[in-house]
Amino acid sequence: NAGVTQTPKFQVLKTGQSMTLQCAQDMNHEYMSWYRQDPGMGLRLIHYSVGAGITDQGEVPNGYNVSRSTTEDFPLRLLSAAPSQTSVYFCASSLTGTGDTIYFGEGSWLTVV
Amino acid sequence: GENVEQHPSTLSVQEGDSAVIKCTYSDSASNYFPWYKQELGKGPQLIIDIRSNVGEKKDQRIAVTLNKTAKHFSLHITETQPEDSAVYFCAASRNDYKLSFGAGTTVTVRA
Repeated sequence: NAGVTQTPKFQVLKTGQSMTLQCAQDMNHEYMSWYRQDPGMGLRLIHYSVGAGITDQGEVPNGYNVSRSTTEDFPLRLLSAAPSQTSVYFCASSLTGTGDTIYFGEGSWLTVV
Repeated sequence: GENVEQHPSTLSVQEGDSAVIKCTYSDSASNYFPWYKQELGKGPQLIIDIRSNVGEKKDQRIAVTLNKTAKHFSLHITETQPEDSAVYFCAASRNDYKLSFGAGTTVTVRA
């Protein structure tokens, strides 16, 4: 059981480039989300999904897009990377999002130069 | 939105002593309060959680208390061990999946 898998683990981008952070879970979880973690600020919610075909914005959605075409996958797209998007990104999932443990992936370290 | 403040930002304790981390929240409608432990290079892992209809919850050496009136909750770790060294995050939510996190506490247990 792989749990929540994120790729890539490390990435360096140039300003203006686009990229996709991949997230997959094999636990048949309905709820998935993306957080970013910055020093001294804890984790902040970017986007979330309560099921395939349903997505919504979190606290800091600007500059990011998501889609949820399958239950297993929830990719995060950076459309035009900016240095302010240098951060550690965590994908998370839970069975239903209500009353269930939220499991986090191991993180993706992104540097935008 | 919800604002969660966490104190202290760093905590150093002698092995065997207790550690206490405190969090306050702003949204009186929040009803779910989890605590996560994050080890270096890893994602956060849930260690204990509490809901607003419960005042205290304990799991072996860790416990969480909640004061809804004062809007604060605390994590207590007793008989600390070196493996307890990590960053701990509190969070609050009015529904389980939109978590607002505190800034984290770096706990160091001295042997």
